[in-house]
Amino acid sequence: DGGITQSPKYLFRKEGQNVTLSCEQNLNHDAMYWYRQDPGQGLRLIYYSQIVNDFQKGDIAEGYSVSREKKESFPLTVTSAQKNPTAFYLCASKSSGGSDTQYFGPGTRLTVL
Amino acid sequence: AQSVAQPEDQVNVAEGNPLTVKCTYSVSGNPYLFWYVQYPNRGLQFLLKYITGDNLVKGSYGFEAEFNKSQTSFHLKKPSALVSDSALYFCAVRVPSGNTPLVFGKGTRLSVIA
Repeated sequence: DGGITQSPKYLFRKEGQNVTLSCEQNLNHDAMYWYRQDPGQGLRLIYYSQIVNDFQKGDIAEGYSVSREKKESFPLTVTSAQKNPTAFYLCASKSSGGSDTQYFGPGTRLTVL
Repeated sequence: AQSVAQPEDQVNVAEGNPLTVKCTYSVSGNPYLFWYVQYPNRGLQFLLKYITGDNLVKGSYGFEAEFNKSQTSFHLKKPSALVSDSALYFCAVRVPSGNTPLVFGKGTRLSVIA
């Protein structure tokens, strides 16, 4: 899992509440990514950021929001508009080299009660 | 558009036997290809990657993968499986352009039986 931390490890939320997942990296990586993992569906991209103060939508951005105010941090907010938020959320980062590897954090499991 | 297919949801192999986890890809141009492994309730761990050069790539824990451009495949292999290799394996691809995100296959669950 390297220098990428995600907190909390487990998160429970009531329907209708927004919740923010934390992702911090100390690898001096420029790019950061959020993926969602559901059983049998692999990893799907939610949002990514290639540089501070800039981010792009991924394949399943609806109901999610992000910010990138600092290089080290890329928090993900799961809003009440996300219809099925229960999933395992993975954050990743990568340096700017074209062939460089994307490294992952340990993940946050979100359960909506 | 980029895509990855892992045709097997589950692979079972006896301990000590060779293992293969299959991956095919579709991408415009030359691909960067990756394999990751995931243990239960953990993040993904990088195993190996193909960027250019030798088609046979060696990685962590004795794993290797062979890039086959004509068959657009990047199968993961290990000569002798261990029970501890049991996990979920993901193949991923991206184009060699800046920080384009990886596109992942759906994963293959490997079970190594003692």
